[in-house]
Amino acid sequence: DAGVIQSPRHEVTEMGQEVTLRCKPISGHDYLFWYRQTMMRGLELLIYFNNNVPIDDSGMPEDRFSAKMPNASFSTLKIQPSEPRDSAVYFCASNTGDGKNYGYTFGSGTRLTVV
Amino acid sequence: QKEVEQDPGPLSVPEGAIVSLNCTYSNSAFQYFMWYRQYSRKGPELLMYTYSSGNKEDGRFTAQVDKSSKYISLFIRDSQPSDSATYLCAMKGFNKFYFGSGTKLNVKP
Repeated sequence: DAGVIQSPRHEVTEMGQEVTLRCKPISGHDYLFWYRQTMMRGLELLIYFNNNVPIDDSGMPEDRFSAKMPNASFSTLKIQPSEPRDSAVYFCASNTGDGKNYGYTFGSGTRLTVV
Repeated sequence: QKEVEQDPGPLSVPEGAIVSLNCTYSNSAFQYFMWYRQYSRKGPELLMYTYSSGNKEDGRFTAQVDKSSKYISLFIRDSQPSDSATYLCAMKGFNKFYFGSGTKLNVKP
């Protein structure tokens, strides 16, 4: 298994531009999570999906952020318009909800810099 | 109050030392406790998990949970330079994980 795959690995964009981050979870995992990591705030849960349905988006900072999961093998996190304070590493993670797997598998992250 | 508190370090130790990493938490409903290791510019990877109170050992690593004190620990014996990373504790609620901010560990050769 290739693990959780995220793209791009790095993204540098100008303030005001739209940014789209992509994630392919591990096949068979029915939960998908988007996290943001900064030095100041650590790992923050933004949103998570179960069977492609958003369950909890209370961590999404504001309306500029949106996430979709059109099918079991693909999810996007979009920021429009982007701002410098959105600069962070964004992680996607997946796991199964069958109780046997107590941890996530994280992707390698997308390092976003908004200038 | 944060759900999970963790000393950010950094913690610097000589090779071969015993390392103790700790977290406290506030929610007595947490039942599953995990430790993740994160190398620089990588995603966190699950290192160990324990259920409820008690100890669990895996090679040089021992995870300890004291639910009465709401305190968890990770011990690393015979620490190696390759253990240099950030260690995050995590606890599980209803399929949501609450992470500590991470402790940066540096093991000097």
